[in-house]
Amino acid sequence: DVKVTQSSRYLVKRTGEKVFLECVQDMDHENMFWYRQDPGLGLRLIYFSYDVKMKEKGDIPEGYSVSREKKERFSLILESASTNQTSMYLCASRPGQNEKLFFGSGTQLSVL
Amino acid sequence: AQSVTQLDSHVSVSEGTPVLLRCNYSSSYSPSLFWYVQHPNKGLQLLLKYTSAATLVKGINGFEAEFKKSETSFHLTKPSAHMSDAAEYFCVVSGWAGNMLTFGGGTRLMVKP
Repeated sequence: DVKVTQSSRYLVKRTGEKVFLECVQDMDHENMFWYRQDPGLGLRLIYFSYDVKMKEKGDIPEGYSVSREKKERFSLILESASTNQTSMYLCASRPGQNEKLFFGSGTQLSVL
Repeated sequence: AQSVTQLDSHVSVSEGTPVLLRCNYSSSYSPSLFWYVQHPNKGLQLLLKYTSAATLVKGINGFEAEFKKSETSFHLTKPSAHMSDAAEYFCVVSGWAGNMLTFGGGTRLMVKP
């Protein structure tokens, strides 16, 4: 069965900390995505990657960076966490264009 | 640039009555469109997708959606609501190179017995 695994279900960090969110997929998918989900705002795209070492900014990249050194792993980095980055973070992958997304179970990040 | 507007943040229906969840989009390219559903404390699941084939798309669990280019709409319907349909629904547009996926703000569907 297909699997997208996010390393933490819940995470609590302090403002100014550097935060790493990890996502691993076992389906050899080309495309990987990071979204944040906030009530009333739906899912907003932070970054996506269409190949190893390739990345594109989404709608809200400010304050975030990403890394994709291997095909199966896509990391989201908060360089200096702030309280407005408290959110549910969802990773997704898909085999290619117009294919369906497979989502991880999400990481609820709280920044205090 | 592309965007998606879900016209209702909340919809409430009685069990057995029709469901209509409205979605309007804008895209500079010929879009692909999707509907996803998220049940409480569960992951997102694809309901259906439109990728420039038939304009009426049938999905899982009795849902369907019609692509209307002239109205830039992709509304989701179901003839008869079931209690298990209570969830949040997201309309999604895919534009440039099919890689940029933009989600709408979501519509929470409530089903009354």
